[in-house]
Amino acid sequence: SAVISQKPSRDICQRGTSLTIQCQVDSQVTMMFWYRQQPGQSLTLIATANQGSEATYESGFVIDKFPISRPNLTFSTLTVSNMSPEDSSIYLCSTDREQFFGPGTRLTVL
Amino acid sequence: AQSVAQPEDQVNVAEGNPLTVKCTYSVSGNPYLFWYVQYPNRGLQFLLKYITGDNLVKGSYGFEAEFNKSQTSFHLKKPSALVSDSALYFCAVRESLSGNTPLVFGKGTRLSVIA
Repeated sequence: SAVISQKPSRDICQRGTSLTIQCQVDSQVTMMFWYRQQPGQSLTLIATANQGSEATYESGFVIDKFPISRPNLTFSTLTVSNMSPEDSSIYLCSTDREQFFGPGTRLTVL
Repeated sequence: AQSVAQPEDQVNVAEGNPLTVKCTYSVSGNPYLFWYVQYPNRGLQFLLKYITGDNLVKGSYGFEAEFNKSQTSFHLKKPSALVSDSALYFCAVRESLSGNTPLVFGKGTRLSVIA
């Protein structure tokens, strides 16, 4: 089974700042997915990150706001840029082994 | 496009009684269906999945789900509910078995098991 870790587990940030979330997998995976879970809501896919190519973003999400890196087959980062209170959510990463999700990063923007 | 519907926002059940959390899906091809549970302030935990084969799938913590192709449903069930089962449950679907497409989630159903 794959183990996925995320850093930080939670953070409280000021409006206008940026936060980079790290996702580390203990084995090589082809695809990594980033999801957002707004308070009281379901999970919404932000983007798909494939190693060696640009991330593919879902409708409503743009690279300038959520830049993603995928430098190798075990690691990815998601940056939430120029944050506003509406960005307060749990951000989760997952892989193409669908059973496994990271523990999530709980972000609060003041 | 694939989609998942969880028609109930909240399900209440007495401890010891059977529970059902409903899920229906829509896909253009073969569905690959999943159930996850999320406890307060915890991550998403995988319960079970249907890929092919037996329509009754058994998963973690005594949960099972029944795939019904004619009704496009994948309801989650447990014969005897525990208070500790109280959590948020998500149904999800994927069209491709290969894993290169993401999961699409339902909105979630909050299960409350009352002692």
